[in-house]
Amino acid sequence: NAGVTQTPKFQVLKTGQSMTLQCAQDMNHNSMYWYRQDPGMGLRLIYYSASEGTTDKGEVPNGYNVSRLNKREFSLRLESAAPSQTSVYFCASSEMGLAASTDTQYFGPGTRLTVL
Amino acid sequence: AQKVTQAQTEISVVEKEDVTLDCVYETRDTTYYLFWYKQPPSGELVFLIRRNSFDEQNEISGRYSWNFQKSTSSFNFTITASQVVDSAVYFCALRETSGSRLTFGEGTQLTVNP
Repeated sequence: NAGVTQTPKFQVLKTGQSMTLQCAQDMNHNSMYWYRQDPGMGLRLIYYSASEGTTDKGEVPNGYNVSRLNKREFSLRLESAAPSQTSVYFCASSEMGLAASTDTQYFGPGTRLTVL
Repeated sequence: AQKVTQAQTEISVVEKEDVTLDCVYETRDTTYYLFWYKQPPSGELVFLIRRNSFDEQNEISGRYSWNFQKSTSSFNFTITASQVVDSAVYFCALRETSGSRLTFGEGTQLTVNP
């Protein structure tokens, strides 16, 4: 039981390049999330998917797209990377749905992205 | 809008000291959930505790304890007899019942020196 996994762990991009961050969970959770972590700002929600087939914008969605490929996988795409997107990206998942009152998010190990 | 404030940016203590990390939150919901996460130097986020707003009992887990006070909108975290392995960034977070998103505080960097 690996929990939440993310690939890659590290990535360096040049401005304008594109890439996709992958996330998978094996806990049969309904909801999945993408956050970015910047110094002094905590974690901010980029996009989330409350259930398979749905996605919604979070606090800082500009410059990103997401795909909920199936119940297990939720990818984050940067179409044209910018230096302002240099950050650590975390994926998370939670059971949510009918169990909302006990919902807890569990996080992956993070992807450290640098855009030059 | 919901908001979480962790006013202590950095705390440094000597091993075996007790330390309290403060968390103050704002929300319009009457039912909500509060969380603490630990982020050690390795970078992953580790879930520590969830507290529901309708349960104001304090909780103790080993050297960790949490003091939830609805009257002051605070959910403070105390580590008793701190150890070097407690060195990490600690995040407080809030989730309202109206949505699934977590709002995080800015985190408190705790350094425990030997």
